[in-house]
Amino acid sequence: EIVLTQSPGTLSLSPGERVTLSCRASQSVSRSYLAWYQQKPGQAPRLLIYNTSTRATGIPDRFSGSGSGTDFTLTISRLEPEDFAVYYCQQYDNSPFTFGQGAKLEIK
Amino acid sequence: QVQLQESGPGLQKPSETLSLTCTVSGGSISRYYWNWVRQTPGKGLEWIGYIFSSGNTNYNLSLKSRITISIDTSKNQFSLRLTSLTAADTALYFCARGLPGGEDAFDIWGQGTMVTVSS
Repeated sequence: EIVLTQSPGTLSLSPGERVTLSCRASQSVSRSYLAWYQQKPGQAPRLLIYNTSTRATGIPDRFSGSGSGTDFTLTISRLEPEDFAVYYCQQYDNSPFTFGQGAKLEIK
Repeated sequence: QVQLQESGPGLQKPSETLSLTCTVSGGSISRYYWNWVRQTPGKGLEWIGYIFSSGNTNYNLSLKSRITISIDTSKNQFSLRLTSLTAADTALYFCARGLPGGEDAFDIWGQGTMVTVSS
């Protein structure tokens, strides 16, 4: 099973700032089948990025993804108030599909 | 647009069998992968398994001996059956659609249904 480790666990930031979230895999995600989700309290996860760097439908371009192998990142270029949430990475390269433990963005 | 809705009992006793159904509305269930995911405060998000519209399945090995995912294309529904419940199965259960094209990220999710296992 591929274990995904996200860092940092919690970030306190202000609107307008740039943030980069990290997701490290225990073994190579060889086909770059890595996704990022955003989850707000009481809601289901929302797909932001798939295949490492492709934005899902309707996702603003301030969200971008990159990486390969075992190291992946999600960058939000300029935080909006609605971006404060929990972010999860997920690999669907190998079964079982696995998620990171989450990274929480909170307002400073 | 496509929407997913989970349904099933919210409270179960240990050793019972959980049955959840996900109803797909606003689109066809055909030619997609349909997933079950659960979430707990302790373990986070855990993928349970998927079924393709043809009936092919792939299960998380950690649960494989206890789960069955089935599909009824005539009703636009797919279902999860989880046997021998314990308190560790207490979780928020989501159904989710895989992006078209194969085993892929999950683009549409249901709102989730809370399942509590307690005597």
